[in-house]
Amino acid sequence: SQQGEEDPQALSIQEGENATMNCSYKTSINNLQWYRQNSGRGLVHLILIRSNEREKHSGRLRVTLDTSKKSSSLLITASRAADTASYFCATYSQGGSEKLVFGKGMKLTVNP
Amino acid sequence: EAGVVQSPRYKIIEKKQPVAFWCNPISGHNTLYWYRQNLGQGPELLIRYENEEAVDDSQLPKDRFSAERLKGVDSTLKIQPAELGDSAVYLCASSSYGFGQRTSYEQYFGPGTRLTVT
Repeated sequence: SQQGEEDPQALSIQEGENATMNCSYKTSINNLQWYRQNSGRGLVHLILIRSNEREKHSGRLRVTLDTSKKSSSLLITASRAADTASYFCATYSQGGSEKLVFGKGMKLTVNP
Repeated sequence: EAGVVQSPRYKIIEKKQPVAFWCNPISGHNTLYWYRQNLGQGPELLIRYENEEAVDDSQLPKDRFSAERLKGVDSTLKIQPAELGDSAVYLCASSSYGFGQRTSYEQYFGPGTRLTVT
């Protein structure tokens, strides 16, 4: 079963623009992670935010977490054509079934 | 540092045939995961190993799927017999600590094996 759900499912922007992706989840979490998957490749870890954090930055990435709304957003600033990929949020819940649960993903296309 | 290695990258088989996938995790990573990713979906965990012990195989269809991780390093995932619905990408991932310990939650993924069952 998939917990996270990304929104929108697809986004097409021009190079240099910002891209915002949202993720909603259902149960309490220990942390939330974002991964990128280029076509035909494995997933690459981008950033992790813990449940007691509200915002985190890594280079051109900014992630926020609102545990009261059970939602997260990933912002990619000054996008590049190389950012074209599928992006997944994944949640880790401690206790019970301790595993990383991925959303369905969203496809970002950055046009040169 | 070499990443997670998987083979083969692609496999086409007829239904009812057996198939096996191999994974070599990042050196020193004690936790290994097998995921299945259907088209347009996120990865779903099949089995998680901590060293050579399968600590979560609740999502593994045990009637036809089996896995092993001998010596706590390489791992093999097998399907026998394969069904049309098994067509998917099978991903292997590893991490340096298991859940419940001082944990590095980041997982490193291999490129996957794309299985097509005809």
